[in-house]
Amino acid sequence: GQQVMQIPQYQHVQEGEDFTTYCNSSTTLSNIQWYKQRPGGHPVFLIQLVKSGEVKKQKRLTFQFGEAKKNSSLHITATQTTDVGTYFCAGRGAGSYQLTFGKGTKLSVIP
Amino acid sequence: DGGITQSPKYLFRKEGQNVTLSCEQNLNHDAMYWYRQDPGQGLRLIYYSQIVNDFQKGDIAEGYSVSREKKESFPLTVTSAQKNPTAFYLCASIPWGADFMNTEAFFGQGTRLTVV
Repeated sequence: GQQVMQIPQYQHVQEGEDFTTYCNSSTTLSNIQWYKQRPGGHPVFLIQLVKSGEVKKQKRLTFQFGEAKKNSSLHITATQTTDVGTYFCAGRGAGSYQLTFGKGTKLSVIP
Repeated sequence: DGGITQSPKYLFRKEGQNVTLSCEQNLNHDAMYWYRQDPGQGLRLIYYSQIVNDFQKGDIAEGYSVSREKKESFPLTVTSAQKNPTAFYLCASIPWGADFMNTEAFFGQGTRLTVV
C-alpha cells in the first residue's frame, strides 16, 4: 500500500532559526496536504499542493511539491514559539479516497 | 456552527470489553475516516467510508468495526480482539468534490481511550 515517510521525527530549534521537514511517498501522489497539530489538540489543515513543482507560501511558511509528485517539504523561516507543534504531511493517490499521513515532525522552539 | 463532534473526550474501559466511540458531523460531507494516533506513530487509518452503507478497511482495521447507517454518523467499535487499544482516536470528514480537488480533512477533537 501507499506509504508516506516523513523526517525528521523531532526537531529542536532556537527561536529565530529556520526549520524544515521533508516528506517522501512510495508512489506518485495526486496531491499532498500539510497539517499542524498543537500539543493536546487535533490536526488542522494548513495547505494543499496539487501541481508538479508547485510552491506556496503562507507568511513565514513555504511549501513545495516535487517535480515527480513524490516528495514535499515545509520550511519555516525565523521560527517563533507559536510554531510549536507536530507537522504532518498527508498524501492521496490518483482516484483514491484514502488519505495517508506521515509520522509527523514534532517541532520544539526554545525561547 | 458546523463541525465534527467526537464523544466522549476521555474514555476508560476494562480489558475484554467492547467500547464504541461516537463521531457526528453536520458538514454534509460524504466521506468519513477513523485514525488512531500513538506517540511517534503519526496517524494510522483504521476505516473509512465514502458513502452511507459502505466502508473500507484501512491499514490497521483488525480488532475494530464500524457502521455508516447515516451520512452524519460513523461510530467506531473497539472490540476485545484489539490487542493494544489504548490510544488517541481521531475522526475526520472530507467533502470530496466531484473532481477530487476539495480534499481538506476536518478533524474532531479526538477521544483518548484508556483500557485497564
